[in-house]
Amino acid sequence: GAVVSQHPSRVICKSGTSVKIECRSLDFQATTMFWYRQFPKQSLMLMATSNEGSKATYEQGVEKDKFLINHASLTLSTLTVTSAHPEDSSFYICSAAHGDVYGYTFGSGTRLTVV
Amino acid sequence: GDSVTQMEGPVTLSEEAFLTINCTYTATGYPSLFWYVQYPGEGLQLLLKATKADDKGSNKGFEATYRKETTSFHLEKGSVQVSDSAVYFCALSDENTGNQFYFGTGTSLTVIP
Repeated sequence: GAVVSQHPSRVICKSGTSVKIECRSLDFQATTMFWYRQFPKQSLMLMATSNEGSKATYEQGVEKDKFLINHASLTLSTLTVTSAHPEDSSFYICSAAHGDVYGYTFGSGTRLTVV
Repeated sequence: GDSVTQMEGPVTLSEEAFLTINCTYTATGYPSLFWYVQYPGEGLQLLLKATKADDKGSNKGFEATYRKETTSFHLEKGSVQVSDSAVYFCALSDENTGNQFYFGTGTSLTVIP
């Protein structure tokens, strides 16, 4: 149980376009989901906390107008990278909270390449 | 602030070799410590955890002991298998920072037959 599906796993887009990444909890309801970003050879960094039915909470230094997060249902959160640039190329991964504070399930991640 | 430092990889071992992946942490409070594993093409999975000093987390032959005196949580396995090939992440969660997770950079392990 507690499976999180993240799609797509890889995406290549042109500079200036927008890309949407989906994170779904398949067998549980997730009122809270998290979005992380990982640069090569660096840690996963929390970008934002996504709460169902309300605005996301962004970490310091993360542009909320560039990284749009929508958590419209208890099983789906989306991250849209708007007007993507090559420096946005990275590995993005979501996680969903379930149960107690240690109950986090991660998606398989999305490798975004902006050309 | 809170942070996690783990051994850089990649690490390549022969089957049945002993594995150690070092992890040290910095935290303002009393964090819980975790090891996550990411197999190729899959999401991060919780491997083991320890919530207080001197606790030992264990799972699938892997062990790690929460050492407050050395602020460490090294991952060990006595005899690795090819199926253990994956990326391993050390992480902490600190209630002083709203239980936000802080991850290490990940260590890639390849086990060869």
